[in-house]
Amino acid sequence: KAGVTQTPRYLIKTRGQQVTLSCSPISGHRSVSWYQQTPGQGLQFLFEYFSETQRNKGNFPGRFSGRQFSNSRSEMNVSTLELGDSALYLCASSLGEGQGISPLHFGNGTRLTVT
Amino acid sequence: AQSVAQPEDQVNVAEGNPLTVKCTYSVSGNPYLFWYVQYPNRGLQFLLKYITGDNLVKGSYGFEAEFNKSQTSFHLKKPSALVSDSALYFCAVRSTSGTYKYIFGTGTRLKVLA
Repeated sequence: KAGVTQTPRYLIKTRGQQVTLSCSPISGHRSVSWYQQTPGQGLQFLFEYFSETQRNKGNFPGRFSGRQFSNSRSEMNVSTLELGDSALYLCASSLGEGQGISPLHFGNGTRLTVT
Repeated sequence: AQSVAQPEDQVNVAEGNPLTVKCTYSVSGNPYLFWYVQYPNRGLQFLLKYITGDNLVKGSYGFEAEFNKSQTSFHLKKPSALVSDSALYFCAVRSTSGTYKYIFGTGTRLKVLA
């Protein structure tokens, strides 16, 4: 079974631009979460989607948004990029509720550099 | 509010010695607890989880963790460390009630010395 796939692996953008990151979950997984990882801050929760609905949201500004499609694939968008947005963005999928407590399965991340 | 603390930024241990990576948590209700490992330029890999039952949980690669409710801790352990265990380790918690949100600690870098 294929793992969680994130594209692209690397991105370099300029301040003020916007960016879209993509995540394809493991087949059958209906929950997709996004995390921002920076040195010293660990993993900061961005949002979680289940069956195309946002169930949870972290404490990030409105410039960070996401969505989930009917095939469970998810995209994350960051508008008006700032230097501080440079980070590794991780996507994780899981089965979702009703099927036990399944762990999160992570992709290898998208490394975003804002210059 | 849920929170996870990993008090040590880095743990150094000699190869063959036992290792412990500490984690304490705060959550309303009962916790679901997890350990993940991250190798360079990779995502996190699941090691083990505590849902309910036996306080000692066994996971991948010879790792185990002990759940202590009174101390709200979930320390990761391994009887004999390998150089290949050197990586970044994350503890995570999720409440059994309400939110489906996972909260991660800031990570502990484990360095196993040959």
